[in-house]
Order: sequence, then C-alpha cells, then structure tokens
Amino acid sequence: SYELTQPPSVSVSPGQTANITCSGDKLGDKYACWYQQKPGQSPVLVIYQDSMRPSGIPERFSGSNSGNTATLTISGTQAMDEADYYCQAWDSRTARVVFGGGTKLTVL
Amino acid sequence: QLQLQESGPGLVKPSETLSLTCTVSGGSISSSSYYWGWIRQPPGKGLEWIGSIYYSGTTYYNPSLKSRVTISVDTSKNHFSLKVTSVTAADTAVYYCARDGRYCSGTSCYMPGSYYGMDVWGQGTTVTVSS
Repeated sequence: SYELTQPPSVSVSPGQTANITCSGDKLGDKYACWYQQKPGQSPVLVIYQDSMRPSGIPERFSGSNSGNTATLTISGTQAMDEADYYCQAWDSRTARVVFGGGTKLTVL
Repeated sequence: QLQLQESGPGLVKPSETLSLTCTVSGGSISSSSYYWGWIRQPPGKGLEWIGSIYYSGTTYYNPSLKSRVTISVDTSKNHFSLKVTSVTAADTAVYYCARDGRYCSGTSCYMPGSYYGMDVWGQGTTVTVSS
C-alpha cells in the first residue's frame, strides 16, 4: 500500500527555518497537503496543492513538492509553531487518502 | 462561518456498532464544492482517513476499513453519519469530521483529499471501545 514517510521529530531554534519532509513514491505527481495539530486540538490545514496557503495562515509557512519528496518550510519559526505536522495526499492506485505518520516540531 | 460538530456515544462495547453524526452549521452540505470526510486518531497516534461522501451520496472508503464502514448523508438535516460495525479496542480513537474541497475541470473531478485539502474540522469526539 502507498505510504508517506515523515521524520518523527524535528528541532529548530526560534527565528530559524524548519524543514519537515514527507516522502512517497512519485509524490511529486500528486498534490500534497500539510496539517498542523497542537495538543488537544483538531488539525489545521496550513498548505494545500503543494504550496498554497489557506486564508489566515502566516506567510512563514510554505511548501514544495517534487520527485518523491514534499517539504513544509517554516521560516522564522516561532514558539507557537511547536506542534505535530502531518502530510497528506491521495493515492489513486489504492483509492484512498493517505496521511504521513506525523512529525513533532520542537522549538527550543 | 461554517462549523462542524460530531456527536454520538463516547463508549461502545466490543462487537457492537459505533455510530456518529456530524452536523454542519453555517453552510449547506448540499454544495458541489465539497466532500465531507471522517478521520480518526487513536490515542497517541497519527491520523487515519476513514472515508468521505459527496452530498449526492457517492462514497469513498479506506480499503482497510471498507468492510465495516458505512457513511451516509441526510441533506434535509444538513448532516452526515458514520457507522463502524464489529468494533474492537483498535477502534478506540478521537473521531473527526471535516470538509474537503472538491475541484472539477469539465466533467472530471478530483478525488477527496487530492486537491484543496480538508479546511474545516470538527472539534473531535472520543470513542472508547470497552466492555
């Protein structure tokens, strides 16, 4: 079955750039989304169509997708960005929505 | 502003059926612009897509759950529902409903989760499977 692989954790210092990767076979041929989830809260869509930001999402969030890897980039990371991040795509072969395993972003 | 609210029993016995409803307020479920989905998250784990439905009744299910899952829509009540049969402890999770943007080009439409993403989520409801 189709899998999206994320690093379990990423650490970044405040003000620095965080890159969270999501790998899957020919992921660049699909559209990838990214969700942010803080403890005890529902997920929030932060990137769709690889690089588009929904209304209300800060400009420091950006995305890219090419080859087998999609990347979520948070520039000028703030303490409030500490959260779990999940990538997501549609797998046409198995006809299902697939989520990555999630990455815990720590800002320290 | 569109809001989604999950409702249903918080405790279900093993082998029984889990039933949840997601009520849509502030907008119509009968929109050609959206799918409506169910996603769950076991304690301490990641997100798992259960399935999605279009207001016409067309459904899309996770193949790993398809034999036990039914998603339905009631446009008159502006809500959609989830049933999971023969539950076990592995079905214990927070269950979310979400709105998923639908894009069509001509007569061809993108599948759920493949274009706009899930932009509105309910607060989630915890379901525990235990005797």
